[in-house]
Amino acid sequence: GDSVTQMEGPVTLSEEAFLTINCTYTATGYPSLFWYVQYPGEGLQLLLKATKADDKGSNKGFEATYRKETTSFHLEKGSVQVSDSAVYFCALSTGGYQKVTFGTGTKLQVIP
Amino acid sequence: EPEVTQTPSHQVTQMGQEVILRCVPISNHLYFYWYRQILGQKVEFLVSFYNNEISEKSEIFDDQFSVERPDGSNFTLKIRSTKLEDSAMYFCASSDNLITKETQYFGPGTRLLVL
Repeated sequence: GDSVTQMEGPVTLSEEAFLTINCTYTATGYPSLFWYVQYPGEGLQLLLKATKADDKGSNKGFEATYRKETTSFHLEKGSVQVSDSAVYFCALSTGGYQKVTFGTGTKLQVIP
Repeated sequence: EPEVTQTPSHQVTQMGQEVILRCVPISNHLYFYWYRQILGQKVEFLVSFYNNEISEKSEIFDDQFSVERPDGSNFTLKIRSTKLEDSAMYFCASSDNLITKETQYFGPGTRLLVL
């Protein structure tokens, strides 16, 4: 079945550091890929998405590129802020109105 | 910006009691979903719903669970006889049928605690 694997956390970074959170997936067909973010005490917010190979999703300084050859969708940000502290979930959907399959989440803590 | 809303934000119940979790999906969305997240674990799919019937359900969604769209705006998840292990955050989501059909928009969640 479909699955998403993302790096274990927590990840602790200093403000303005570079962020990478690794994500790889297994799916039949050509899934759409997502990053969701969950701030403390809040629900899931869509951060960015990519629907086909080589697409780059971006939002709020975060980026991720859909790499079909390596089945990866790594999340990056050039300079993190304290306000980026949250749990980040990599996810996929095999299209249409199919369920979203989530990774285990990676907690990011940014310290001043 | 339109958003999915859920009520209540928190619910505490006794084991064996029935609970109903409510969701108002984004207007004009036609596909609805429930997920849950047990504390510290991954978000898990429960059920999807379209055209007044279940499209897909997971192994978690057993006979204790049911969903309903009682009117044109609400989408509910009922747990008939709650168990301790039902304690979790429950998320509702919806998606539209046109431009962003593969994208699901999530509500803020209902935190259910079964004692």
